[in-house]
Amino acid sequence: AQSVSQHNHHVILSEAASLELGCNYSYGGTVNLFWYVQYPGQHLQLLLKYFSGDPLVKGIKGFEAEFIKSKFSFNLRKPSVQWSDTAEYFCAGYNTDKLIFGTGTRLQVFP
Amino acid sequence: DVKVTQSSRYLVKRTGEKVFLECVQDMDHENMFWYRQDPGLGLRLIYFSYDVKMKEKGDIPEGYSVSREKKERFSLILESASTNQTSMYLCASSFSPGLEQYFGPGTRLTVT
Repeated sequence: AQSVSQHNHHVILSEAASLELGCNYSYGGTVNLFWYVQYPGQHLQLLLKYFSGDPLVKGIKGFEAEFIKSKFSFNLRKPSVQWSDTAEYFCAGYNTDKLIFGTGTRLQVFP
Repeated sequence: DVKVTQSSRYLVKRTGEKVFLECVQDMDHENMFWYRQDPGLGLRLIYFSYDVKMKEKGDIPEGYSVSREKKERFSLILESASTNQTSMYLCASSFSPGLEQYFGPGTRLTVT
C-alpha cells in the first residue's frame, strides 16, 4: 500500500538548534510532495511543495526540503529554529488520486 | 487568499444523533476533501469530491456520508454518531488533483 512515513514523532530542541525531520514515501512514479505545519490552535498551512525540477525547495519561514529520489525521501530542514516554530509538522505525498499524510512530528522549541 | 470555513469549531453530540458538518470554500475549487485528525494517526481521508454531485470514498468512509450540491459547499454527515467518531474533522479544497490543498480551521467533535 502507498504510504508516507515520518520517523520522528516528537522532537525537542533549543532555540538556534538545527532541525531535520525525516519523511519517506513508499510509491514510485510521479510524486508531488508537501510539508504542512499546524501551529497550536491554528489550521494546517502549506510550508513548501515539490513537483519537479530543482530537488532543493525553499518554503516559508526559512524552511527547506530536499527531494532524494533514490532514497524515496523528502526531509524538512531549518538551520536555526525559533520558539515560534513549535508546531506539528506533516509530510504528505500525492499519488494517483489522493493525498497521503504521514502521522506527524510534534516539534517543541525551548528558549 | 483562499478561505475555507467550517460551520463550527466545537461540537458536542450524543450517541445516535445525526450530525452535519459544513464546509465552504470561496476560491471556486473543483476538489473538496474531508479528513479526520487523531493523535498519532495523522490525517485520514474520509471522502472527497472532484465535482458537484460527485463523491468518492476515501480510506475510512464507514459511518459517514457526504453531500455536494453546490461547488463551494461540501457537507459531511454522521448518520448515527458513535463515541469512536470523537475527533477533529478537517475540510480542504484544491484547484486540481495533485496540487496543494487548503484547509479549514477544523471542527472538534465530541460524541458522548
